[in-house]
Amino acid sequence: NAGVTQTPKFQVLKTGQSMTLQCAQDMNHEYMSWYRQDPGMGLRLIHYSVGAGITDQGEVPNGYNVSRSTTEDFPLRLLSAAPSQTSVYFCASRRGQTTEAFFGQGTRLTVV
Amino acid sequence: GENVEQHPSTLSVQEGDSAVIKCTYSDSASNYFPWYKQELGKRPQLIIDIRSNVGEKKDQRIAVTLNKTAKHFSLHITETQPEDSAVYFCAARKSGGSNYKLTFGKGTLLTVNP
Repeated sequence: NAGVTQTPKFQVLKTGQSMTLQCAQDMNHEYMSWYRQDPGMGLRLIHYSVGAGITDQGEVPNGYNVSRSTTEDFPLRLLSAAPSQTSVYFCASRRGQTTEAFFGQGTRLTVV
Repeated sequence: GENVEQHPSTLSVQEGDSAVIKCTYSDSASNYFPWYKQELGKRPQLIIDIRSNVGEKKDQRIAVTLNKTAKHFSLHITETQPEDSAVYFCAARKSGGSNYKLTFGKGTLLTVNP
């Protein structure tokens, strides 16, 4: 099994550009989440999903959109990139509410 | 919502010593407390977790204790080794309803000096 796969691994955007970070899991997990990791800030939840067709906002949702059309995929869209969105982004999935979260390898995004 | 405080933010120990990282949580309804280890440039990975019906859990050199009354839980690493050097995150999940979110602490950078 591949687990949780994120693409791309690195990305540089100009302010105002849009892009989609891809996340796919092959473990048939219900729960998927997007986090951003900034120095000294830990992992902050952006958006999450509890199943296909169901998404909700996390702690820092502004500037990001998500959708969950299938169990496997949970893309994160940046609508109009800003320098404040420079960060490392992690996608995670888990089978149940109190089970291990499996993380993707991360996407390092720089907005200039 | 849930708030998780983690201390210390950095911890340096000598190889063979013990390391303790502490977390407090705000919501008494939280019932699941995992710990993740993140090596430099890598993804976070679960090392141990504990549920609210248990006071302590051990896995070789790693143990986690939970004090529900005080709303805090701790990670204990004994006989530390250089490969234990990493950032450690605690997290808490509130039980009930549609709350599926894991709230993470800000992390502890552990350095084990040979």
